[in-house]
Amino acid sequence: QQQVKQSPQSLIVQKGGISIINCAYENTAFDYFPWYQQFPGKGPALLIAIRPDVSEKKEGRFTISFNKSAKQFSLHIMDSQPGDSATYFCAASGVTGGGNKLTFGTGTQLKVEL
Amino acid sequence: DAGITQSPRHKVTETGTPVTLRCHQTENHRYMYWYRQDPGHGLRLIHYSYGVKDTDKGEVSDGYSVSRSKTEDFLLTLESATSSQTSVYFCAIRGGGFEQYFGPGTRLTVT
Repeated sequence: QQQVKQSPQSLIVQKGGISIINCAYENTAFDYFPWYQQFPGKGPALLIAIRPDVSEKKEGRFTISFNKSAKQFSLHIMDSQPGDSATYFCAASGVTGGGNKLTFGTGTQLKVEL
Repeated sequence: DAGITQSPRHKVTETGTPVTLRCHQTENHRYMYWYRQDPGHGLRLIHYSYGVKDTDKGEVSDGYSVSRSKTEDFLLTLESATSSQTSVYFCAIRGGGFEQYFGPGTRLTVT
């Protein structure tokens, strides 16, 4: 059972454009939603995270939008750069008890072209 | 890299042999995790630990065991490796809040 569905599987964006990756979750107990960036041969790196008490969080060029009623959240990368080319994973967990176990989406391969 | 090291970084082993992967942290974090990464599946939790000698199962724990005798070390053991356990294994620690930081990974091939 895939509890976090991520789309698209791959994405090509022109330099300077906006990259948008979407995730949907099923478990209403989830209340922590991080995004990770992974380069080939490296471990996932935490990019940005949000709790459901806010609908949007911005850090530099990266923004998470969160829709609690729709059980959806998305990552927006503004002014996308070739250095942003990587695989992005959304994840979700419940933070109260249970060890904060992350459930991941299947990943989006982003390529930013010049 | 949040002070996390994993060893070995690469390993090739034969079906049926035992394998132990090690995760070492330098920052005294209470929570540690083992995930596996496979194409089309993202990362999936195998086991996690919430303190010395305190561990619990994750989503894909069958065929794996873990041990944590010291705060800084979390070991993942494949008692009898199978080809389906060919994967990249990542260790993670939980920081001061809810965030998790991942190690560099171990690429395991079971032939």
